[in-house]
Amino acid sequence: GQQVMQIPQYQHVQEGEDFTTYCNSSTTLSNIQWYKQRPGGHPVFLIQLVKSGEVKKQKRLTFQFGEAKKNSSLHITATQTTDVGTYFCAGPYRDDMRFGAGTRLTVKP
Amino acid sequence: NAGVTQTPKFQVLKTGQSMTLQCAQDMNHNSMYWYRQDPGMGLRLIYYSASEGTTDKGEVPNGYNVSRLNKREFSLRLESAAPSQTSVYFCASSERINYGYTFGSGTRLTVV
Repeated sequence: GQQVMQIPQYQHVQEGEDFTTYCNSSTTLSNIQWYKQRPGGHPVFLIQLVKSGEVKKQKRLTFQFGEAKKNSSLHITATQTTDVGTYFCAGPYRDDMRFGAGTRLTVKP
Repeated sequence: NAGVTQTPKFQVLKTGQSMTLQCAQDMNHNSMYWYRQDPGMGLRLIYYSASEGTTDKGEVPNGYNVSRLNKREFSLRLESAAPSQTSVYFCASSERINYGYTFGSGTRLTVV
C-alpha cells in the first residue's frame, strides 16, 4: 500500500488565494519528493527535501520537511491559473519511490 | 533532449491480447520504472529496474512482465490483457534510486 498519505484530496481556490497540501508518513523518511501533473500530462519533478526541518522556495512555491522527517508540505502563495494540476509527494520504499494519492488543485479566475 | 520516450501513446486491446509497451531514455540514467495511474489511486509501481541487468516487482506486478533490454530501454509486457489493466502507464527513469524521476508522456491503454 501507499507509504505516504496526502491531504486534502481536492482543493478549489479563487485565483490569488493561497494553497497548501500536506504529506504524512507513519515512518521516518530519508527524503521526500514533490511532483506536479497538469491535466492530461505527466508528473514533473519539482524538488527533493533531505534534511530535517528543511525549507526550500521556488518562486511562489514553498516546500517544508518536518523536524521528525515524517511530514512535508507544499504551499503556493497567490495561486494563478497556471498552478492548476495535481500535486504528488513521494517517499522512498526500498529501491523506489511510493507516491501519495495527490491533491488536485483547481483555480477559479 | 528527448528525455523519456514511450510508445505507443494510445492503444486499444481486446481481452486476451498481448502487447509490449516500449520505453527509452537518453539521459544515461541507471534506474527505470513502470507505473500505472488510475483515477483516485495515484501512481502505483508495477516493476522497476534499479540498474542494468536487474528487475524487481513493485506494488502491482500481477499480469505484467518486464525486460531491461539495455541501459536505455525498459519494456513492459502484458501477456493476456484484462479490462482491469485499462489505465494510463508511465515509464520513468532516475540517475539512481531515490533521485528525482523523469517521466515519459504516458500510454493510454484501454482493454475491451
